[in-house]
Amino acid sequence: GQQVMQIPQYQHVQEGEDFTTYCNSSTTLSNIQWYKQRPGGHPVFLIQLVKSGEVKKQKRLTFQFGEAKKNSSLHITATQTTDVGTYFCAGGRTGGGNKLTFGTGTQLKVEL
Amino acid sequence: NAGVTQTPKFRILKIGQSMTLQCAQDMNHNYMYWYRQDPGMGLKLIYYSVGAGITDKGEVPNGYNVSRSTTEDFPLRLELAAPSQTSVYFCASSYSMGGGREAETQYFGPGTRLLVL
Repeated sequence: GQQVMQIPQYQHVQEGEDFTTYCNSSTTLSNIQWYKQRPGGHPVFLIQLVKSGEVKKQKRLTFQFGEAKKNSSLHITATQTTDVGTYFCAGGRTGGGNKLTFGTGTQLKVEL
Repeated sequence: NAGVTQTPKFRILKIGQSMTLQCAQDMNHNYMYWYRQDPGMGLKLIYYSVGAGITDKGEVPNGYNVSRSTTEDFPLRLELAAPSQTSVYFCASSYSMGGGREAETQYFGPGTRLLVL
């Protein structure tokens, strides 16, 4: 079946440093979504990418969708303590209905 | 709108007991989902529903059952609870007009933390 892997699994950074998480799918995706889950919370939608090579920005967050639509990345510039949490990518598949396959997640810790 | 609500927030079960996790949404979403999240892991799809009266298995359906008699409610039933079912359970919903190629945004409930001893 479809697998979506993320690296790294954990990342500790000092506040102000940059952070990147990478998402790789075993199959071509129709779209990719990113979610953030705060400690003890539930996943919250951040953004969706649909087009090959698409890049979207939300303030300090930059999201990219690979040319082959099999990988994606999330980059955070100048991390803040409010960025703490686990970031999940989730891929949709053409013909897969409305289902998403969630990645393994990257847990981000930000130290002062 | 309350969004997606789940009850209970936390429950301890003994091995072999059964229980129903409740999920409701007030956004008139046609799709609903149940996921489990084990510590430090991603989300695994248990069951999903494309509308009232229609359900289908996800990745990890064994040991669970669902029903969808109304658009709003999507309860998850655990029969004969086992320690392997200790997890956090999230219900989610989304809306799709159909015919689209891309999966739609999912809205999650706050989760139910289940401990089976």
